[in-house]
Amino acid sequence: SAVISQKPSRDICQRGTSLTIQCQVDSQVTMMFWYRQQPGQSLTLIATANQGSEATYESGFVIDKFPISRPNLTFSTLTVSNMSPEDSSIYLCTSRPQLNTEAFFGQGTRLTVV
Amino acid sequence: GENVEQHPSTLSVQEGDSAVIKCTYSDSASNYFPWYKQELGKRPQLIIDIRSNVGEKKDQRIAVTLNKTAKHFSLHITETQPEDSAVYFCAASKDRNQGGKLIFGQGTELSVKP
Repeated sequence: SAVISQKPSRDICQRGTSLTIQCQVDSQVTMMFWYRQQPGQSLTLIATANQGSEATYESGFVIDKFPISRPNLTFSTLTVSNMSPEDSSIYLCTSRPQLNTEAFFGQGTRLTVV
Repeated sequence: GENVEQHPSTLSVQEGDSAVIKCTYSDSASNYFPWYKQELGKRPQLIIDIRSNVGEKKDQRIAVTLNKTAKHFSLHITETQPEDSAVYFCAASKDRNQGGKLIFGQGTELSVKP
């Protein structure tokens, strides 16, 4: 299993500013994943973060808007840049420590952009 | 890329009845299929998963079936209880030598009426 600590748990931000979300895993993991969950919606994958390489972004998400860092095997950050009200959402980091095992989720960051 | 379709979007049952949620996936290389339960304001929690070398898996009142030929899998909850009320998500992944990204279905809001 894995325990993922994510922070902040929530924030209210002004449009045009940026917010960095942090995730810390209690064990070393190769890949971490960042999802967005808009109100009442499903989880949409933003990007996959590998340690030591550039993150891989899904269609519709770009590095300039959602830069990701992965400095080591236990930590990752996602930045939501130049925010607009449409970025209001819950952002979740996950990891799957082993092959064919469940994904463990951070607590989520509830972001409101005003 | 992978696409997961989930039906129905809402499901209301009487306590004690059974509930069935169905998902289809598009990528025949997907080999891991978890189901997550998300209660309001909380992170998703794994309730059951199945791998492509198995056709059915059961855990007490919960079961999952997989039809690889048709590329669909289903969640079955028997003897439903009010505490089963939540949003349920199916997902699919292509796992190779490590855990791959999960692509989620749209979610099913299950309501169990006492």
